[in-house]
Amino acid sequence: GENVEQHPSTLSVQEGDSAVIKCTYSDSASNYFPWYKQELGKRPQLIIDIRSNVGEKKDQRIAVTLNKTAKHFSLHITETQPEDSAVYFCAASSPAAGNKLTFGGGTRVLVKP
Amino acid sequence: DTGVSQDPRHKITKRGQNVTFRCDPISEHNRLYWYRQTLGQGPEFLTYFQNEAQLEKSRLLSDRFSAERPKGSFSTLEIQRTEQGDSAMYLCASSRDGGNQPQHFGDGTRLSIL
Repeated sequence: GENVEQHPSTLSVQEGDSAVIKCTYSDSASNYFPWYKQELGKRPQLIIDIRSNVGEKKDQRIAVTLNKTAKHFSLHITETQPEDSAVYFCAASSPAAGNKLTFGGGTRVLVKP
Repeated sequence: DTGVSQDPRHKITKRGQNVTFRCDPISEHNRLYWYRQTLGQGPEFLTYFQNEAQLEKSRLLSDRFSAERPKGSFSTLEIQRTEQGDSAMYLCASSRDGGNQPQHFGDGTRLSIL
């Protein structure tokens, strides 16, 4: 089955700086890679996703890059703000596996004002 | 679009009791997924439905767990003879049918076993 590794597990940045979270996956059949933000006690919230036919996708201060050859993808947050503080999860899925999501272990991001 | 709703939000029960959780997906979503999340970890897949058909169950889902989606709308997840290790957040997500459709999560049911 799929295995997703996520690094770092914690990330502390100064407000205004950039944050980068990296994930690797094992199943070459995976072709959909969403990122979720989860605040304490709340639901995972989809913030951006990328499909395997695209190398990069951007939405305001958030961008995701995908390298299918190397089987890794990354989340980039620019101009971080205190409200970006949360746990971020990457995930991977494939239609052959019913599109079920396999999640990474999460990255706790703290943005210091 | 009222989002995915789950009930109850919290459940505290004694070991050995049975519990049942409910999930109401987004109305036009054919697919419904159950995940379990323990503290400090990412959600883990348990099972999923396409309409009323349960298409896959994880090895995590022991015989004490059963899920249904009788009319292809809401779903229930039942745990029989609960154990300490069942304590977790149980999350439900739904999506449209087809490949690579975004999954939207509910707020979850937090289960605590005394």
